[in-house]
Amino acid sequence: AQSVAQPEDQVNVAEGNPLTVKCTYSVSGNPYLFWYVQYPNRGLQFLLKYITGDNLVKGSYGFEAEFNKSQTSFHLKKPSALVSDSALYFCAVRDGRTGTASKLTFGTGTRLQVML
Amino acid sequence: NAGVMQNPRHLVRRRGQEARLRCSPVKGHSHVYWYRQLPEEGLKFMVYLQKENIIDESGMPKERFSAEFPKEGPSILRIQQVVRGDSAAYFCASSPSIEYGYTFGSGTRLTVV
Repeated sequence: AQSVAQPEDQVNVAEGNPLTVKCTYSVSGNPYLFWYVQYPNRGLQFLLKYITGDNLVKGSYGFEAEFNKSQTSFHLKKPSALVSDSALYFCAVRDGRTGTASKLTFGTGTRLQVML
Repeated sequence: NAGVMQNPRHLVRRRGQEARLRCSPVKGHSHVYWYRQLPEEGLKFMVYLQKENIIDESGMPKERFSAEFPKEGPSILRIQQVVRGDSAAYFCASSPSIEYGYTFGSGTRLTVV
């Protein structure tokens, strides 16, 4: 079974400050990891993914995430937050083994609030 | 290049009626997934389909819910005899293969009155 934990329901940060949204995962095979963002009454938008390669992944809107295999974590980061980054963020994992069902399992989401 | 198209955006049904939710995946994507999102909760997997086949329906309630992805036309999520607890946002996503993430539709918000 695969699972994702997002330990913080909400993260508050001042505009211009760095932000981190935490994610840890559990999966049997090699993890494929994803971050999505959801704005009110909208679907989820893809931010970035880790499949293989460099542990630091860069994505849309200045976001990046660091894959840490030993800590089974994939935290989302941004050096300087914007008010427009305020949204609901979801971490997701799937098992990368060939032949396994390819569904994504999502965390419960973290609401990011960026304040002026 | 159109994204995932879901319709209707909003659907109101009385208890006991049927709800039909439609999803047209991105052109060329053969993997379709349905998720349900309850207010202030994350996304719960329901079903994974490829053309004419249900691959994984482990998240689907055993009764009243069904899904299909025919050779021609959109994927359909059908909920029979709806109850108030079915009220939620239902999201469809598509993917070209396992290495890729999903492209999500904007969702159908079902309200059962």
